[in-house]
Amino acid sequence: EAGVAQSPRYKIIEKRQSVAFWCNPISGHATLYWYQQILGQGPKLLIQFQNNGVVDDSQLPKDRFSAERLKGVDSTLKIQPAKLEDSAVYLCASSLVPWGSSYNEQFFGPGTRLTVL
Amino acid sequence: DQQVKQNSPSLSVQEGRISILNCDYTNSMFDYFLWYKKYPAEGPTFLISISSIKDKNEDGRFTVFLNKSAKHLSLHIVPSQPGDSAVYFCAARGSNDYKLSFGAGTTVTVRA
Repeated sequence: EAGVAQSPRYKIIEKRQSVAFWCNPISGHATLYWYQQILGQGPKLLIQFQNNGVVDDSQLPKDRFSAERLKGVDSTLKIQPAKLEDSAVYLCASSLVPWGSSYNEQFFGPGTRLTVL
Repeated sequence: DQQVKQNSPSLSVQEGRISILNCDYTNSMFDYFLWYKKYPAEGPTFLISISSIKDKNEDGRFTVFLNKSAKHLSLHIVPSQPGDSAVYFCAARGSNDYKLSFGAGTTVTVRA
């Protein structure tokens, strides 16, 4: 079974530039998550999709971050414009069901390491 | 606010010995706890979990202990192997909550 795919793996940009990350979840997983992991911290949930609808985006800085999941499969996360503090690893995860059982185990992709200069 | 805390950023242990990783939480609504393992340049992978109705769950060399009254859990790895060298994240969620809260992680180094 193929895992969660993410691209690019690394990205270096200057502040105020734009950047986009792509995620392809495990086939059949209805729930998709984007996390931000700043160095020395644990992953923090930015947004969660159930199919192509947003379940929770309460921690997404909506003035600069946006995400979409067209057709309920692939997802993109965009930052525009980027700030220095956005330097982090952006992790995408997917799960079969959203919650309520052990089957909501989240499978993570390898992440995209973003450096904002 | 950090609801899940891993106060030891690193742990060094000799091969064959026991590794004990600790995790504390503050949210009394948490009732499901997970440990994830992360190698460099890879995403976290699920390791083991425990529901609040249990106080122990074992899977091979890995055992998780939960002390609800103390809001504390620990992961024991026995015996430790070089391949166990990784970052370990503790995570928690409520019974009807999808959102996982993660600790900052503990880097385990197993010395040969």
